[in-house]
Amino acid sequence: GAVVSQHPSRVICKSGTSVKIECRSLDFQATTMFWYRQFPKQSLMLMATSNEGSKATYEQGVEKDKFLINHASLTLSTLTVTSAHPEDSSFYICSASSPGANTEAFFGQGTRLTVV
Amino acid sequence: QKEVEQNSGPLSVPEGAIASLNCTYSDRGSQSFFWYRQYSGKSPELIMFIYSNGDKEDGRFTAQLNKASQYVSLLIRDSQPSDSATYLCASWTGTYKYIFGTGTRLKVLA
Repeated sequence: GAVVSQHPSRVICKSGTSVKIECRSLDFQATTMFWYRQFPKQSLMLMATSNEGSKATYEQGVEKDKFLINHASLTLSTLTVTSAHPEDSSFYICSASSPGANTEAFFGQGTRLTVV
Repeated sequence: QKEVEQNSGPLSVPEGAIASLNCTYSDRGSQSFFWYRQYSGKSPELIMFIYSNGDKEDGRFTAQLNKASQYVSLLIRDSQPSDSATYLCASWTGTYKYIFGTGTRLKVLA
């Protein structure tokens, strides 16, 4: 299957700082990328859908000024958590897909963010 | 609200038995359905997908789809302890959005 690479896999940052997470599709062009957050023992919560070259679509309740998403190319999307707080500590996962009816979502390895 | 529902479990089965995981969905417009396996602290990995009514088999796994009942299931034959994980059911709605269930935790007892 296709490969989606997410970096970093683990990051610890101080409260009030910003953290950038990268998601790259290595062997296909991803017109759409999804960003999820997952708290312990809970399912994936879609945060936003990013389309190459246009603004991301955020899910209800997700602050777009806090979670900045950039999808500048067909192979790279970034999520920046601005002014991080301890409650932002979570597992962030990106996925990418190509257009099509029965296309699977390919997941990155996930980023464990801990804000101290 | 479009939903995908799963029993959270845990579902415990002895090694070698058949594990049956179930999922229902509310959006009749859903086109495809995916089963992902997620180990603790890891990202989901695709097991298989199904989009036509009936059964689809891949090795020890069989996915079943019944669109009239809005029901999807995953059977795991000859369950192994390494199959112990959380299984996520997801639907693809046709608007480039996947909707995930909360997952069912499976425990295969050695």
